[in-house]
Amino acid sequence: AQKVTQAQTEISVVEKEDVTLDCVYETRDTTYYLFWYKQPPSGELVFLIRRNSFDEQNEISGRYSWNFQKSTSSFNFTITASQVVDSAVYFCALSERAAGNKLTFGGGTRVLVKP
Amino acid sequence: NAGVTQTPKFQVLKTGQSMTLQCAQDMNHEYMSWYRQDPGMGLRLIHYSVGAGITDQGEVPNGYNVSRSTTEDFPLRLLSAAPSQTSVYFCASGTITEAFFGQGTRLTVV
Repeated sequence: AQKVTQAQTEISVVEKEDVTLDCVYETRDTTYYLFWYKQPPSGELVFLIRRNSFDEQNEISGRYSWNFQKSTSSFNFTITASQVVDSAVYFCALSERAAGNKLTFGGGTRVLVKP
Repeated sequence: NAGVTQTPKFQVLKTGQSMTLQCAQDMNHEYMSWYRQDPGMGLRLIHYSVGAGITDQGEVPNGYNVSRSTTEDFPLRLLSAAPSQTSVYFCASGTITEAFFGQGTRLTVV
């Protein structure tokens, strides 16, 4: 069975500090997809990024970057120079190709960015 | 193009009442699913569909029924509401590599 663990329940930083969110996953499938979603205080789920299991290239997109390491089953997410608008709950999620579109979510990490 | 539309946004039910949460998508996606979000637990899969006429149970299916008569609609039925079903419910539709979520329905059972 697939499992996603986000060990950090809450992170508090001061604006302009970097924030790294940890995500560790378990899966038996060789083809799988990893996601990060943002849930702002308004409650909707905002898609941030998807990574395929066969694509370990890390990427930077604006102030966001991702570190995918299959060897340690980790898919960490970093916000550089955080802003107050980054305050939200961030979820890591996993879907196995064999399971279609079923997502398994981690428990979420609440990020609070103080001005 | 509305994406995924959930109705209602808020609902209060009395224990034992029944109701249907509506979910519609206009992206012609085959996959649709229902999740519930409880404090500190992330989202958990309730029911799932890979196409019209095909549904399957997720992690927490008890107390809920679904059907998928069309590609566009995937309603979630609570047959006899219980306080343990107080939660925020999200509907999603997508492909094998992406999922789009509705705005959520906040349900309170008293």
